[in-house]
Amino acid sequence: AQKITQTQPGMFVQEKEAVTLDCTYDTSDPSYGLFWYKQPSSGEMIFLIYQGSYDQQNATEGRYSLNFQKARKSANLVISASQLGDSAMYFCAARDAGKSTFGDGTTLTVKP
Amino acid sequence: EAGVAQSPRYKIIEKRQSVAFWCNPISGHATLYWYQQILGQGPKLLIQFQNNGVVDDSQLPKDRFSAERLKGVDSTLKIQPAKLEDSAVYLCASSLDPTDSYEQYFGPGTRLTVT
Repeated sequence: AQKITQTQPGMFVQEKEAVTLDCTYDTSDPSYGLFWYKQPSSGEMIFLIYQGSYDQQNATEGRYSLNFQKARKSANLVISASQLGDSAMYFCAARDAGKSTFGDGTTLTVKP
Repeated sequence: EAGVAQSPRYKIIEKRQSVAFWCNPISGHATLYWYQQILGQGPKLLIQFQNNGVVDDSQLPKDRFSAERLKGVDSTLKIQPAKLEDSAVYLCASSLDPTDSYEQYFGPGTRLTVT
C-alpha cells in the first residue's frame, strides 16, 4: 500500500449511537489486506478487524464492521452502539506484498 | 499466550547520546516489525524482519539507526547519535506470517524523549 487517507482528525459520538470512521487507500496491487486498529491513551495498538481484497462480504467482528467499497478504494469502520470505552485513536492500515502502511488516525470521543 | 514485550517503556536522553530498545515477539511469530510513531501521526515502518533476515528497511535512517534480530527471536533497535526529531514512540510488532491477511500484534511501545 502506498497511501492511506483518514480525513477525520476528530469525531464525536453519543453513547449508544453508531459512528463511521472513514478510510481510503491507494494501492495498485490487486491483492491486499485492510486492517483497523484501536489505540487507547495507554498507547498499545489493538487489532479490531480485517478485510481481504478478494472477500465478497464485508467483515464483521462484534460491534465492528468494515464497509468495503472496492471500486472507491474505501474501507470505512462502523462502530455500532458506542461505549465510553471506545474513546481512542483509530488507525486504518493496508498491506500489500507484505508491506504495511498506516493512516494518521481519527480520534473518537464518545460522549455520555 | 504472552504478548509482545518491549523495554524500556520510557527513556529520556540528550541529543547526540545513544539509546537501545529491546523487543521480544510472540512465541512462534516469524515476522517482526519496528515502527516509529511521532505524536499525532500513524506508525511508520522502520524495519521488518522475517526470522533473522531483513525484509524491508527502506525507511530506516541507516546513518544513525540500526537493528538486529538475533536467532530470529528477540530484536534490538539502536539510535546513535540521537537527534531531537527522534522523539517518538517506538512500537514493536510481530505476526505469524508476513502475508497480507495476518494481523500484527503490537507491544506497549517505548516513549523516547530527546532533549
